[in-house]
Amino acid sequence: AQTVTQSQPEMSVQEAETVTLSCTYDTSESNYYLFWYKQPPSRQMILVIRQEAYKQQNATENRFSVNFQKAAKSFSLKISDSQLGDTAMYFCAFPSAPEYGNKLVFGAGTILRVKS
Amino acid sequence: NAGVTQTPKFQVLKTGQSMTLQCAQDMNHEYMSWYRQDPGMGLRLIHYSVGAGITDQGEVPNGYNVSRSTTEDFPLRLLSAAPSQTSVYFCASSPRGISSGANVLTFGAGSRLTVL
Repeated sequence: AQTVTQSQPEMSVQEAETVTLSCTYDTSESNYYLFWYKQPPSRQMILVIRQEAYKQQNATENRFSVNFQKAAKSFSLKISDSQLGDTAMYFCAFPSAPEYGNKLVFGAGTILRVKS
Repeated sequence: NAGVTQTPKFQVLKTGQSMTLQCAQDMNHEYMSWYRQDPGMGLRLIHYSVGAGITDQGEVPNGYNVSRSTTEDFPLRLLSAAPSQTSVYFCASSPRGISSGANVLTFGAGSRLTVL
Protein backbone atom coordinates (compact mmCIF):
# COMPACT_ATOMS: atom_id res chain seq x y z
CA ALA A 1 0.00 0.00 0.00
CA GLN A 2 1.05 3.57 -0.58
CA THR A 3 -0.27 5.65 2.29
CA VAL A 4 0.56 8.75 4.28
CA THR A 5 -0.70 9.31 7.80
CA GLN A 6 -0.76 12.66 9.56
CA SER A 7 -2.03 11.92 13.04
CA GLN A 8 -2.52 15.53 14.20
CA PRO A 9 -5.60 17.11 12.59
CA GLU A 10 -4.97 20.44 14.30
CA MET A 11 -2.16 22.07 16.25
CA SER A 12 -1.48 25.48 17.69
CA VAL A 13 1.73 27.23 18.72
CA GLN A 14 2.67 30.57 20.16
CA GLU A 15 4.55 33.01 17.98
CA ALA A 16 8.35 32.54 18.18
CA GLU A 17 8.05 29.01 19.56
CA THR A 18 8.90 25.71 17.86
CA VAL A 19 6.37 23.15 16.66
CA THR A 20 6.72 19.70 15.09
CA LEU A 21 4.21 18.16 12.70
CA SER A 22 4.18 14.37 12.39
CA CYS A 23 3.99 12.23 9.28
CA THR A 24 4.35 8.50 8.72
CA TYR A 25 4.18 6.76 5.38
CA ASP A 26 4.19 3.33 3.85
CA THR A 27 6.08 2.41 0.70
CA SER A 28 8.04 -0.58 -0.53
CA GLU A 29 10.31 1.59 -2.68
CA SER A 30 13.95 1.84 -1.67
CA ASN A 31 14.60 5.31 -2.97
CA TYR A 32 12.03 8.07 -3.07
CA TYR A 33 11.42 11.69 -2.20
CA LEU A 34 9.26 13.09 0.56
CA PHE A 35 7.61 16.49 0.54
CA TRP A 36 5.94 18.94 2.87
CA TYR A 37 3.47 21.36 1.27
CA LYS A 38 1.91 24.39 2.92
CA GLN A 39 -1.59 25.63 2.07
CA PRO A 40 -2.33 29.06 3.61
CA PRO A 41 -5.85 30.51 3.66
CA SER A 42 -5.24 31.75 0.09
CA ARG A 43 -5.52 28.06 -0.91
CA GLN A 44 -2.26 28.12 -2.89
CA MET A 45 -0.16 24.94 -2.50
CA ILE A 46 3.44 25.87 -1.70
CA LEU A 47 6.37 23.46 -1.48
CA VAL A 48 8.06 23.89 1.90
CA ILE A 49 10.78 21.28 1.88
CA ARG A 50 11.89 18.10 0.09
CA GLN A 51 13.94 15.15 1.30
CA GLU A 52 15.53 12.40 -0.77
CA ALA A 53 15.35 9.09 1.05
CA TYR A 54 18.88 7.92 0.37
CA LYS A 55 20.36 11.09 1.86
CA GLN A 56 21.01 10.64 5.55
CA GLN A 57 21.27 14.35 6.25
CA ASN A 58 17.98 15.95 7.17
CA ALA A 59 16.84 18.71 4.81
CA THR A 60 16.66 22.29 6.05
CA GLU A 61 15.11 25.41 4.52
CA ASN A 62 15.56 28.46 6.73
CA ARG A 63 13.23 27.95 9.75
CA PHE A 64 11.90 24.65 8.39
CA SER A 65 13.67 21.35 8.93
CA VAL A 66 12.74 17.69 8.85
CA ASN A 67 13.47 14.71 11.04
CA PHE A 68 13.65 11.81 8.61
CA GLN A 69 13.73 8.32 10.10
CA LYS A 70 13.81 5.93 7.14
CA ALA A 71 13.57 2.68 9.07
CA ALA A 72 10.56 3.97 11.00
CA LYS A 73 9.09 5.55 7.85
CA SER A 74 8.68 8.82 9.69
CA PHE A 75 9.06 12.29 8.22
CA SER A 76 8.26 15.08 10.66
CA LEU A 77 8.44 18.81 9.98
CA LYS A 78 9.89 21.20 12.54
CA ILE A 79 9.10 24.89 12.33
CA SER A 80 11.34 27.09 14.45
CA ASP A 81 10.61 30.67 15.51
CA SER A 82 6.99 30.32 14.37
CA GLN A 83 5.48 33.33 12.64
CA LEU A 84 1.87 34.36 12.11
CA GLY A 85 2.37 33.74 8.39
CA ASP A 86 3.02 30.07 9.11
CA THR A 87 -0.69 29.62 9.88
CA ALA A 88 -1.78 27.13 7.23
CA MET A 89 -2.72 23.56 6.45
CA TYR A 90 0.39 21.39 6.04
CA PHE A 91 0.45 18.27 3.88
CA CYS A 92 3.01 15.50 3.84
CA ALA A 93 3.32 13.72 0.48
CA PHE A 94 5.45 11.33 -1.56
CA PRO A 95 5.39 10.09 -5.17
CA SER A 96 3.70 6.74 -5.60
CA ALA A 97 5.52 3.80 -7.10
CA PRO A 98 4.98 3.66 -10.88
CA GLU A 99 2.59 0.72 -10.66
CA TYR A 100 0.27 2.82 -8.49
CA GLY A 101 0.10 5.67 -10.97
CA ASN A 102 2.04 8.82 -11.66
CA LYS A 103 0.90 10.81 -8.65
CA LEU A 104 1.70 12.27 -5.27
CA VAL A 105 0.14 10.50 -2.32
CA PHE A 106 -0.99 13.05 0.25
CA GLY A 107 -1.79 12.83 3.91
CA ALA A 108 -5.03 14.29 5.25
CA GLY A 109 -3.23 17.42 6.45
CA THR A 110 -2.56 19.21 9.73
CA ILE A 111 -4.02 22.64 10.41
CA LEU A 112 -1.45 24.79 12.20
CA ARG A 113 -2.51 27.96 13.97
CA VAL A 114 0.16 30.39 15.15
CA LYS A 115 -1.07 32.60 17.99
CA SER A 116 0.24 36.04 18.93
CA ASN B 1 5.82 33.99 -16.20
CA ALA B 2 2.28 33.04 -15.09
CA GLY B 3 3.02 29.43 -14.05
CA VAL B 4 -0.19 27.37 -13.80
CA THR B 5 -3.42 29.27 -14.42
CA GLN B 6 -6.81 27.85 -13.47
CA THR B 7 -10.20 29.27 -14.30
CA PRO B 8 -12.74 29.84 -12.89
CA LYS B 9 -11.76 30.30 -9.24
CA PHE B 10 -15.33 29.74 -8.05
CA GLN B 11 -18.32 28.06 -9.66
CA VAL B 12 -21.77 27.00 -8.52
CA LEU B 13 -23.59 24.36 -10.56
CA LYS B 14 -26.89 22.58 -10.37
CA THR B 15 -27.02 18.82 -10.39
CA GLY B 16 -26.84 17.53 -13.96
CA GLN B 17 -25.16 20.58 -15.45
CA SER B 18 -21.87 20.28 -17.28
CA MET B 19 -18.85 22.52 -17.12
CA THR B 20 -15.15 22.68 -17.89
CA LEU B 21 -12.37 23.74 -15.54
CA GLN B 22 -9.56 25.27 -17.55
CA CYS B 23 -5.87 24.80 -16.82
CA ALA B 24 -2.96 26.33 -18.71
CA GLN B 25 0.77 26.36 -18.01
CA ASP B 26 3.47 28.36 -19.74
CA MET B 27 6.50 26.41 -18.52
CA ASN B 28 6.57 23.79 -21.32
CA HIS B 29 5.89 21.07 -18.76
CA GLU B 30 5.22 17.59 -20.11
CA TYR B 31 3.31 16.35 -17.05
CA MET B 32 -0.05 17.85 -16.04
CA SER B 33 -2.58 16.60 -13.54
CA TRP B 34 -5.85 17.32 -11.78
CA TYR B 35 -6.40 16.72 -8.05
CA ARG B 36 -9.42 17.23 -5.88
CA GLN B 37 -9.18 18.27 -2.24
CA ASP B 38 -11.79 17.16 0.26
CA PRO B 39 -11.78 17.68 4.05
CA GLY B 40 -9.96 14.93 5.90
CA MET B 41 -8.79 13.26 2.70
CA GLY B 42 -5.91 15.37 1.45
CA LEU B 43 -5.55 15.65 -2.31
CA ARG B 44 -6.48 12.80 -4.64
CA LEU B 45 -5.50 12.41 -8.27
CA ILE B 46 -8.33 12.52 -10.82
CA HIS B 47 -6.51 12.35 -14.17
CA TYR B 48 -3.05 13.06 -15.46
CA SER B 49 -1.17 13.48 -18.73
CA VAL B 50 2.48 12.85 -19.58
CA GLY B 51 2.34 14.74 -22.87
CA ALA B 52 0.09 16.03 -25.64
CA GLY B 53 -2.32 13.32 -26.75
CA ILE B 54 -1.65 11.10 -23.70
CA THR B 55 -3.95 10.93 -20.69
CA ASP B 56 -4.54 8.38 -17.95
CA GLN B 57 -6.82 7.87 -14.98
CA GLY B 58 -5.89 8.60 -11.40
CA GLU B 59 -7.58 7.19 -8.30
CA VAL B 60 -10.93 9.07 -8.55
CA PRO B 61 -11.66 9.47 -12.30
CA ASN B 62 -15.41 8.70 -12.38
CA GLY B 63 -17.54 11.60 -13.60
CA TYR B 64 -14.61 13.48 -15.14
CA ASN B 65 -13.09 13.65 -18.62
CA VAL B 66 -9.83 15.18 -19.78
CA SER B 67 -7.99 15.75 -23.02
CA ARG B 68 -4.54 17.11 -23.87
CA SER B 69 -4.44 18.52 -27.38
CA THR B 70 -1.56 20.90 -26.65
CA THR B 71 1.35 20.93 -24.22
CA GLU B 72 -0.03 24.05 -22.53
CA ASP B 73 -3.66 23.14 -21.83
CA PHE B 74 -5.31 20.39 -19.78
CA PRO B 75 -9.04 21.01 -19.26
CA LEU B 76 -11.16 18.98 -16.85
CA ARG B 77 -14.75 18.32 -17.88
CA LEU B 78 -17.64 17.44 -15.61
CA LEU B 79 -20.25 15.86 -17.88
CA SER B 80 -23.18 15.72 -15.44
CA ALA B 81 -22.36 17.36 -12.12
CA ALA B 82 -23.30 15.63 -8.89
CA PRO B 83 -23.24 16.94 -5.29
CA SER B 84 -20.40 14.47 -4.58
CA GLN B 85 -18.25 16.52 -6.93
CA THR B 86 -18.41 19.54 -4.63
CA SER B 87 -14.73 20.08 -3.89
CA VAL B 88 -11.69 22.23 -4.48
CA TYR B 89 -9.86 21.31 -7.66
CA PHE B 90 -6.18 21.82 -8.34
CA CYS B 91 -4.30 21.62 -11.58
CA ALA B 92 -0.58 20.88 -11.23
CA SER B 93 2.30 20.46 -13.66
CA SER B 94 5.88 19.24 -13.66
CA PRO B 95 8.68 19.17 -16.24
CA ARG B 96 8.31 15.39 -16.50
CA GLY B 97 6.63 12.54 -14.68
CA ILE B 98 6.77 12.67 -10.91
CA SER B 99 7.21 9.02 -10.00
CA SER B 100 10.88 9.53 -9.28
CA GLY B 101 10.21 12.54 -7.09
CA ALA B 102 13.03 14.45 -8.74
CA ASN B 103 10.51 16.73 -10.45
CA VAL B 104 8.43 19.03 -8.28
CA LEU B 105 4.76 19.81 -8.91
CA THR B 106 3.75 23.42 -9.51
CA PHE B 107 0.14 24.00 -8.49
CA GLY B 108 -2.49 26.39 -9.77
CA ALA B 109 -4.47 28.53 -7.32
CA GLY B 110 -7.38 26.11 -7.14
CA SER B 111 -11.03 26.21 -8.18
CA ARG B 112 -13.84 25.86 -5.65
CA LEU B 113 -16.82 24.04 -7.17
CA THR B 114 -20.19 23.72 -5.46
CA VAL B 115 -22.85 21.43 -6.91
CA LEU B 116 -26.36 22.01 -5.55
